[in-house]
Amino acid sequence: DAGITQSPRHKVTETGTPVTLRCHQTENHRYMYWYRQDPGHGLRLIHYSYGVKDTDKGEVSDGYSVSRSKTEDFLLTLESATSSQTSVYFCAISETLSEQYFGPGTRLTVT
Amino acid sequence: GQQVMQIPQYQHVQEGEDFTTYCNSSTTLSNIQWYKQRPGGHPVFLIQLVKSGEVKKQKRLTFQFGEAKKNSSLHITATQTTDVGTYFCAGHQGAQKLVFGQGTRLTINP
Repeated sequence: DAGITQSPRHKVTETGTPVTLRCHQTENHRYMYWYRQDPGHGLRLIHYSYGVKDTDKGEVSDGYSVSRSKTEDFLLTLESATSSQTSVYFCAISETLSEQYFGPGTRLTVT
Repeated sequence: GQQVMQIPQYQHVQEGEDFTTYCNSSTTLSNIQWYKQRPGGHPVFLIQLVKSGEVKKQKRLTFQFGEAKKNSSLHITATQTTDVGTYFCAGHQGAQKLVFGQGTRLTINP
């Protein structure tokens, strides 16, 4: 497996609180992605990055922001968590725009 | 925007039976990728198809890309319990974004 870690792996938080998820890679890949996975929806892209400080929105970006200040770290922030953001979040990396390598995932529950 | 539809959503087979999942896009794809996710795990890249009509094999798995580059299929011959999981197709929307199908969850009766 590619060197990708996500933290935390599990989190329970209350509605209205901010939450930050971290993705860390040791592969020096250029592209990094945040997806959410929900039953019946597959994987949906939230935001992605094509370089340090270069980010763009995916199909489900409302309520989420991202930052990438270093090649190895890509942060996903839920500005004010809602129950609809309860999901499993996956980070992925890619160097060549071909295959993506996924992290182990973060299970987030918003109560 | 581009949509990628995958059918069936679920498939249960007896061990040894064949399995096929189909992927259809609303637009022409530059390429199609397939991933496998084991229960409780993360998606793992299987293969990428690029050419119209391309067929690739990995042991018991056969991947096809349609002539119009709008559909694809994954066929598993003689399933084994290790094939259990969810199979996703994904196509590129623009150069940098992948759009995933909903996935086909395969369960196997040993």
